[in-house]
Amino acid sequence: GENVEQHPSTLSVQEGDSAVIKCTYSDSASNYFPWYKQELGKGPQLIIDIRSNVGEKKDQRIAVTLNKTAKHFSLHITETQPEDSAVYFCAASKGYGGSQGNLIFGKGTKLSVKP
Amino acid sequence: DSGVTQTPKHLITATGQRVTLRCSPRSGDLSVYWYQQSLDQGLQFLIQYYNGEERAKGNILERFSAQQFPDLHSELNLSSLELGDSALYFCASSSQGAANTGELFFGEGSRLTVL
Repeated sequence: GENVEQHPSTLSVQEGDSAVIKCTYSDSASNYFPWYKQELGKGPQLIIDIRSNVGEKKDQRIAVTLNKTAKHFSLHITETQPEDSAVYFCAASKGYGGSQGNLIFGKGTKLSVKP
Repeated sequence: DSGVTQTPKHLITATGQRVTLRCSPRSGDLSVYWYQQSLDQGLQFLIQYYNGEERAKGNILERFSAQQFPDLHSELNLSSLELGDSALYFCASSSQGAANTGELFFGEGSRLTVL
């Protein structure tokens, strides 16, 4: 089955710096790659996603890139702010997170942004 | 607020006991998912229901079972509990059809502690 590896497990940056989190997946049939942010005491919340027919997607300070050949995708956060501190999860699926499949998550990256 | 409601928020019980976790999806969502989050295994998909029918199964133990009722709420039953079942259990829901963007909406979780 699908396996998603995520690195690093912890990441500490200074406010205003960039943060990059990388994930690799094993199943070449996977075609949907979301990123979720989990704040303390809360459930995960989708922040951005990308599908296999797209190489890059950007939403304000957040961007995701996908390399299908290498089977890896990355989350880039620019101009980090203290409120970006949270645990970030990458995931992969053979369909959308809806009725077409289920998400296989990486083990998470705890991001700390120091003021 | 994701619109997904989970009860109870916290539950402490003893080994060998049985518990039931309850989830109310977002209004109109037909799909319900259960995930287990533990420190060593991360977020693991357990099971999905769609409009009352089981749609997909993940790493769910035989001691665990779930169902989705006609009013679309779902229950996860955990029996013969072991220490290793201590975890945070999340329910998520998603829209369907043309409204399905792939996003899962997570509740705030039920924290189970088995002593």
